[in-house]
Amino acid sequence: GQQVMQIPQYQHVQEGEDFTTYCNSSTTLSNIQWYKQRPGGHPVFLIQLVKSGEVKKQKRLTFQFGEEKKNSSLHITATQTTDVGTYFCAENQGGSEKLVFGKGTKLTVNP
Amino acid sequence: KAGVTQTPRYLIKTRGQQVTLSCSPISGHRSVSWYQQTPGQGLQFLFEYFSETQRNKGNFPGRFSGRQFSNSRSEMNVSTLELGDSALYLCASSLTTRNYEQYFGPGTRLTVT
Repeated sequence: GQQVMQIPQYQHVQEGEDFTTYCNSSTTLSNIQWYKQRPGGHPVFLIQLVKSGEVKKQKRLTFQFGEEKKNSSLHITATQTTDVGTYFCAENQGGSEKLVFGKGTKLTVNP
Repeated sequence: KAGVTQTPRYLIKTRGQQVTLSCSPISGHRSVSWYQQTPGQGLQFLFEYFSETQRNKGNFPGRFSGRQFSNSRSEMNVSTLELGDSALYLCASSLTTRNYEQYFGPGTRLTVT
């Protein structure tokens, strides 16, 4: 079935540096949702993108959906230690109720 | 509103046994999805229920089954446990899954020995 590829798998940054994770698909995505999972925790919904070229911001987080709806990115400006965790993208596969997750990007931040 | 609750939180079973996990969704949410999370495979979709009907199923063997009750509470069952079934099993509820955010429970950590 369709897979959402997410890169990088790991990212280690110094506090204050920026961070970006990418999701890519070979086919058009119906939507993209982003989740964050803190160490030892469960995934928590961050945002959903539906429209081609959509850009949404949440404080230091910027989410983008590609013009062709085949890729998405999450960018964090000036990382803080509270940003530590694994960030997942996910898609309602083929517009169905089945939510397919990328493998995630694990972010660690050095204070 | 109370969040999604899952019981038990931790479970240790032996190969060949069966296990039942329970999930209570957020009040008013009628969709419940189950996921298996492992370090190697990540978050994998098991199945999704809405109004007591299974609407979608992932690529897992028939040993994995589930059901949903009229009050939207859900259970999943794994029979003939294998070592590879050791994982964190997450339940998520939503008004409906398509284009709606999912609220995850804390998960059940299953260890098969």
